[in-house]
Amino acid sequence: QEQLVESGGGVVQPGRSLRLSCAASGFTFSSYAMHWVRQAPGKGVEWVAVISYDGSYKNYVDSVRGRFTVSRDTSKNALYLQMNSLRTEDTAVYYCARDQAGGSGYLSVFDIWGQGTMITVSS
Amino acid sequence: DIQMTQSPASLSASVGDRVTITCRASQTISRYLNWYQQKPGRAPKVLVYVASTLQGGVPSRFSGSGSGADFTLTISSLQPEDFATYYCQQSYSAPYTFGQGTKLDIK
Repeated sequence: QEQLVESGGGVVQPGRSLRLSCAASGFTFSSYAMHWVRQAPGKGVEWVAVISYDGSYKNYVDSVRGRFTVSRDTSKNALYLQMNSLRTEDTAVYYCARDQAGGSGYLSVFDIWGQGTMITVSS
Repeated sequence: DIQMTQSPASLSASVGDRVTITCRASQTISRYLNWYQQKPGRAPKVLVYVASTLQGGVPSRFSGSGSGADFTLTISSLQPEDFATYYCQQSYSAPYTFGQGTKLDIK
C-alpha cells in the first residue's frame, strides 16, 4: 500500500546539522510533489517545505529558509530534508507528506503521511 | 502569511451529537481549505479538501462548507472514534498554514 517512512531523527545540539530521510513505497514517487510538515510537542501543525515532482521547484516557510534544504532522489524513491544551524525552536516531530495532486500540479493537500520522526534540539 | 483561526479551541460533546467547528482565514482563500483529524501519537489524516470534497474512505457524517474566508466542518452524529483534534489548513498560498486546532473530547 502507499506508504511513507521517515528516519534520521534524534537529539542534536543547537547550531548542528541533521538530515532526515523519507522512503516512499506503493506509489509512483516521481509523479508527486512532496512536503515536509512539523509539529512541536503539544503544539499545532506547521508546513515546512515543498519540492515539486521533478525537483525543479522548492519553497520553504520563512523560519527555515536558508537553513533547511529539501531534495529528492527518484532512483531511490526518497525525500530528504537537510537541516543546518538547528535551533531549539526546531524541536518537533517531522512528517513527510504527499501532495494529493500528482504531476505538475499542486493541491497542497497532504493525503499520505509518514509516521513522523522526532528531532530534539538541545544542549 | 495567511493566518487561520479555529473556534472553539476545545469542545466537549457526546456520542450522537452534531458538532460544528469553524475556521476563519485572515484573507480570502476562495475554497482552498482542508480539514484534518489527528489522534494522539498519529499523523494527521485528511477528511475534507477544497472546502467540501470528502476524501475517499471518510464517513459521510463528516461534511465541509464555506468559501472566501469562513469555513465549517460538521460531524452530523459523533461516533466514539471521532474524538480527536481537528485542524483546518489553507492551500491557497505558501506558507500553507494550519489553524491552531480544535480538541474534541467526550462529555
